[in-house]
Amino acid sequence: AQSVTQPDIHITVSEGASLELRCNYSYGATPYLFWYVQSPGQGLQLLLKYFSGDTLVQGIKGFEAEFKRSQSSFNLRKPSVHWSDAAEYFCAVGARGGTNFGNEKLTFGTGTRLTIIP
Amino acid sequence: DSGVTQTPKHLITATGQRVTLRCSPRSGDLSVYWYQQSLDQGLQFLIQYYNGEERAKGNILERFSAQQFPDLHSELNLSSLELGDSALYFCASSAGTGRVRGYTFGSGTRLTVV
Repeated sequence: AQSVTQPDIHITVSEGASLELRCNYSYGATPYLFWYVQSPGQGLQLLLKYFSGDTLVQGIKGFEAEFKRSQSSFNLRKPSVHWSDAAEYFCAVGARGGTNFGNEKLTFGTGTRLTIIP
Repeated sequence: DSGVTQTPKHLITATGQRVTLRCSPRSGDLSVYWYQQSLDQGLQFLIQYYNGEERAKGNILERFSAQQFPDLHSELNLSSLELGDSALYFCASSAGTGRVRGYTFGSGTRLTVV
């Protein structure tokens, strides 16, 4: 079974600084990988996803993530954060293979809360 | 608007009561997932339905039950409510083709048990 670890519960960065949120996964093959963002009181919104191909994927709101097979990681990055980026970020992994209808379960990490200071 | 609709947005009820949360999945999606999010437990998977049938079960209490109707909307029933059931309840949907493409989440129902 797949699993996801987000080692940082809470990160604080200054507005305009760069950001990297860590995500490590455990899965026997190359998984499908996702980053979601949750603003306070809101649902989760998909930021970006990796299925195959280029290991650097671009997402919405200026975010990018890099899949590193050797490190089993899918870290989220942004070169310059804005105050509106303050939110909770969730990494998720999905299993490949098969066309078992309805078998599309994602496993989510515990989330990283991002605080932005002026 | 994500396309996944949850009602009501807010619900305040007393301990011991029963409530029903409703979710309409994105058009064309066959799978519905329910999650509970609380401050101390994070995002907990409760249950999944696919095309009317229960497909996967997570950390769902026996006091909780769910179903998916022929029109694919889903309801989560919470009974004998306790203070600890206060949380955000999210519904998400996916296509149900078996090919992982991610979930679309609703904006949640905030349940407060007093």
